[in-house]
Amino acid sequence: QQQVKQSPQSLIVQKGGISIINCAYENTAFDYFPWYQQFPGKGPALLIAIRPDVSEKKEGRFTISFNKSAKQFSLHIMDSQPGDSATYFCAASYNQGGKLIFGQGTELSVKP
Amino acid sequence: GAVVSQHPSWVICKSGTSVKIECRSLDFQATTMFWYRQFPKQSLMLMATSNEGSKATYEQGVEKDKFLINHASLTLSTLTVTSAHPEDSSFYICSASENTDTQYFGPGTRLTVL
Repeated sequence: QQQVKQSPQSLIVQKGGISIINCAYENTAFDYFPWYQQFPGKGPALLIAIRPDVSEKKEGRFTISFNKSAKQFSLHIMDSQPGDSATYFCAASYNQGGKLIFGQGTELSVKP
Repeated sequence: GAVVSQHPSWVICKSGTSVKIECRSLDFQATTMFWYRQFPKQSLMLMATSNEGSKATYEQGVEKDKFLINHASLTLSTLTVTSAHPEDSSFYICSASENTDTQYFGPGTRLTVL
């Protein structure tokens, strides 16, 4: 019940296309859902995060869509660029300051 | 803002020795720090959670006597891998939060045990 399932494991997108990564969770107590971007050999960097009281949040080219009833959330990267090629992790937590439960990660490759 | 540093960025040591990794929050006070390890092509695995001035809470399966965590101040936490062995070779990453949900991650430390 603590798991966060992420898909796909890998994704290849053409430059300018839309990258979509999905996550699903079981624990309805989760109340914070961040997305992290990680480049090889580096620590994860926070991209964008959402709480269950909104269905969508947009920051620049990055959008989180949240479906509370389905217990799913997704990251959309618009106008994908080769510099977006990285591994993306979704995560979830509850109880402010609590530990993050990470998805398995998605390796995104944006082809020029 | 919200910068977390780690030192060293990489370390090579001989089997049986101990290695200390430092994690610092540079521009905020980290009430909670987390330590993760990550194997190639895998997700982050939480090892332990530490609150300033308190004993760390270790995840199931993580040996607390092998991975010593100290969170002596609001800006510094250390992870000491005692009697390191080749199977401890991994990428160790810390994160810090200032009494909020948001965790800011350090750049990671690559440990290689020969």
